[in-house]
Amino acid sequence: AQSVTQLDSQVPVFEEAPVELRCNYSSSVSVYLFWYVQYPNQGLQLLLKYLSGSTLVKGINGFEAEFNKSQTSFHLRKPSVHISDTAEYFCAVTGLRGAQKLVFGQGTRLTINP
Amino acid sequence: ETGVTQSPTHLIKTRGQQVTLRCSSQSGHNTVSWYQQALGQGPQFIFQYYREEENGRGNFPPRFSGLQFPNYSSELNVNALELDDSALYLCASSLGQLQETQYFGPGTRLLVL
Repeated sequence: AQSVTQLDSQVPVFEEAPVELRCNYSSSVSVYLFWYVQYPNQGLQLLLKYLSGSTLVKGINGFEAEFNKSQTSFHLRKPSVHISDTAEYFCAVTGLRGAQKLVFGQGTRLTINP
Repeated sequence: ETGVTQSPTHLIKTRGQQVTLRCSSQSGHNTVSWYQQALGQGPQFIFQYYREEENGRGNFPPRFSGLQFPNYSSELNVNALELDDSALYLCASSLGQLQETQYFGPGTRLLVL
C-alpha cells in the first residue's frame, strides 16, 4: 500500500517569487509519482509525472519536480510564480503493478499575492 | 481529441435516495477510474473498470457500484445516500489497464441534504 504526505496545507507567496511544494510518500514497492493541479471548481489537470529515468522532471506552466528515492520525496518547484498559479496542488502515487489506483495527498493550497 | 466529460455538473439529493453519475472517457481510452473528493481533501479511489470489468476497488461500501459500457463510458451508482456522500466525484480515464497516466474530467458535485 502507498501513502502520500503533503507537508504544507497552505503556501502563500508573492508574485514572481520562487515556490516549493513538498511531498513525501511511503511505499513497499516501486512507484510512479504525479503532481496534479486543481483550479477552483474544476477537475484535476496533470502537471508532471515521474515514471523512470532522470530524477528531474519538467511539466507544464514552468513547474518541475525532483524525485529523491532515498528521501522518498517528490517536491514541486517553480522559480517564479504568477497570479494564475493560485490553485490547489495534489501529489499522487501509484504502484507499478495491479490496478493503477492513484493515492493522493491532502493537497497544498498555493496563494499568490501581488 | 475529446477529453473526459462528466454529467451532470451539479446534483442535489436527499438522504436515502439513489444517484447515477456518468462519465465519457477520453477517445481511445478503455479504462475508467472513479474518485471521491470531499471538501478540503484529496481524491480517494472508489473503483476502476477495464474493458467492462471491475479491476480494483477502494475502501467504499457495496452501495457504491459501477458499470462500464462497450464504448468505455461509465456510470457510478450510489444507493441509500448519506450526508457524508456529499463530495466532488471525479472520473479519470487511461489507455490500458496498466497505463500509468490518468486524465480527469471536471467532476460532478453532489450535495446530499
